[in-house]
Amino acid sequence: ETGVTQSPTHLIKTRGQQVTLRCSSQSGHNTVSWYQQALGQGPQFIFQYYREEENGRGNFPPRFSGLQFPNYSSELNVNALELDDSALYLCASSLDRSYEQYFGPGTRLTVT
Amino acid sequence: AQSVTQLDSQVPVFEEAPVELRCNYSSSVSVYLFWYVQYPNQGLQLLLKYLSGSTLVKGINGFEAEFNKSQTSFHLRKPSVHISDTAEYFCAVHTPNQFYFGTGTSLTVIP
Repeated sequence: ETGVTQSPTHLIKTRGQQVTLRCSSQSGHNTVSWYQQALGQGPQFIFQYYREEENGRGNFPPRFSGLQFPNYSSELNVNALELDDSALYLCASSLDRSYEQYFGPGTRLTVT
Repeated sequence: AQSVTQLDSQVPVFEEAPVELRCNYSSSVSVYLFWYVQYPNQGLQLLLKYLSGSTLVKGINGFEAEFNKSQTSFHLRKPSVHISDTAEYFCAVHTPNQFYFGTGTSLTVIP
């Protein structure tokens, strides 16, 4: 059974650029949630995808968008990057929107 | 509105001593409660969860937590800590479609 994987592990971007982060869910899971974890903070919920549809969204602006593919992998896209977007981005997968989430190791994004 | 408060940002404790990490929550609806552990440069790992039933919940690595509805608390405890328990610990509540995490407690076990 393959766990949740994320790519890339680290990324450096310039303010104003766009970025795409990727997540492969655990085998059999059809739900993916994305979180932003700023340094020294707890994870903040961005949104959740269930069977390719957005199924809930936290308090993040529209420049944070996502996709879920038929194989249930997912992308997080952030447009017009700001310095405050620098954080660890975590992906978690689950089955049928369950609270039993399994987290990936994260992507560390640095915006300069 | 839901929120999670972890009362201690840092907790140093000597090896083999007991530890308690405190968590309080506020919610207008029924919630599920969780504790996660995060080791450096890693994602979060579920330690334990409270859904319903017995208020004392046992998790992995010898941790346990007690749900107290009247005090809206879900404190994490371990009777004897090891060096390997040094990590960041997060309390979380789950409502339909969302998780809310606390700001974390950094547990440092001193040899």
